[in-house]
Amino acid sequence: EEQLVESGGDLVQPGGSLRLSCAASGFIFNKYWMSWVRQAPGKGLEWVANIKQDGSEKYYAVSVEGRFTISRDNARSSLFLQMNSLRLDDTAVYFCAKAVEAGLPEFRGQGSLVTVSS
Amino acid sequence: EVVLTQSPATLSLSPGERATLSCRASQSVSSFLAWYQQKPGQAPRLLIYDASNRATGIPARFRGSGSGTDFTLTISSLEPEDFAVYYCQQRGNWPPFTFGPGTRVDIK
Repeated sequence: EEQLVESGGDLVQPGGSLRLSCAASGFIFNKYWMSWVRQAPGKGLEWVANIKQDGSEKYYAVSVEGRFTISRDNARSSLFLQMNSLRLDDTAVYFCAKAVEAGLPEFRGQGSLVTVSS
Repeated sequence: EVVLTQSPATLSLSPGERATLSCRASQSVSSFLAWYQQKPGQAPRLLIYDASNRATGIPARFRGSGSGTDFTLTISSLEPEDFAVYYCQQRGNWPPFTFGPGTRVDIK
């Protein structure tokens, strides 16, 4: 069974940093693009970042470019999101997703809640 | 950036009725349009990809159609478990990949 388990979400002050992790199992991790998608409380879905199978290409939403960094460790079947200079509007549940194609996420986890508040 | 508009915002229907959801793109996305279903407290589930292809395990009552800028998700006969929020998403012009604001399908 394919699984993605997100972790690392927490309460953090504005301007702070946080690193999210996503552990993948049940599929060949290094064959797929991977994505982060977030959902603010009571709001819709927002794509955050994508990373290619070998990590050679990365793309970001304008709202996080320069502050967030997506990375992966294929040996450990893990995806990461380093979030710096966090703002109040970064508060959301962050979902890790396996991308069937570069921009076609399939969600297999429950997400990790990041709350930015003073 | 491609902006997706979904209508209606809310659809109130009874089990057994037909649901027709619309998604319009601000520019052509070819057939690179997907539909997701999300229930409260759950992650989104991929229903339809490339406008009309059902994802693995998705029942035949879900049908996607359209191309270019106008797309439709039809649920032929609503089951109790189909009441949820539905999002369209495009990957025809990226980055960014964009989602629509969602259509909530409520029990009437």
